Amino acid sequence: GENVEQHPSTLSVQEGDSAVIKCTYSDSASNYFPWYKQELGKRPQLIIDIRSNVGEKKDQRIAVTLNKTAKHFSLHITETQPEDSAVYFCAARGAGGTSYGKLTFGQGTILTVHP
Amino acid sequence: SAVISQKPSRDICQRGTSLTIQCQVDSQVTMMFWYRQQPGQSLTLIATANQGSEATYESGFVIDKFPISRPNLTFSTLTVSNMSPEDSSIYLCSVVGLAGGQGADTQYFGPGTRLTVL
Repeated sequence: GENVEQHPSTLSVQEGDSAVIKCTYSDSASNYFPWYKQELGKRPQLIIDIRSNVGEKKDQRIAVTLNKTAKHFSLHITETQPEDSAVYFCAARGAGGTSYGKLTFGQGTILTVHP
Repeated sequence: SAVISQKPSRDICQRGTSLTIQCQVDSQVTMMFWYRQQPGQSLTLIATANQGSEATYESGFVIDKFPISRPNLTFSTLTVSNMSPEDSSIYLCSVVGLAGGQGADTQYFGPGTRLTVL
């Protein structure tokens, strides 16, 4: 089945700096890669996603890049703010066989933005 | 946009008992899933809830321990049976194909049920 590795496990930045979180996946057939933000005690919230036919997607201060050949994708947050502090999860969705439609999650990154 | 709700939001249970968690969506969805999130950990898929048929379980999860029902396209239940302290976790339902969502295959999560087993 799919395996998703996420790095780093913790990330500490100063307000205004950029933050980058990286994920790799194992199943070359995976075709959908969402990122979720989870604040303490809350549900995971989708913040951005990318599909395998696109190399980059941007939404205001958040961008995601995908390298299908290398099987890795990254989340970029620019001009970080204290309210960006949360746990971020990447995920990959299988496209075939027993993995079809299922999201496999990375281990999570605890992002702390210091004022 | 559509709403996903779960009941109960939290519970404290005695070992050996069972708890049924309900997930209700206010519009029809194509897929429903149940996840477990242990303290400080990532999300692990328990099973896919199939409408009108038996759920599809992931490795390490069995129907006798986690029976799931999905009688229609808006509702599902997960039961945690014969509980032990190791079952203490957050259980989340998740859906795909939500009306008003960003895309037909975008996946959204319910608020979760925080279970503590003593």
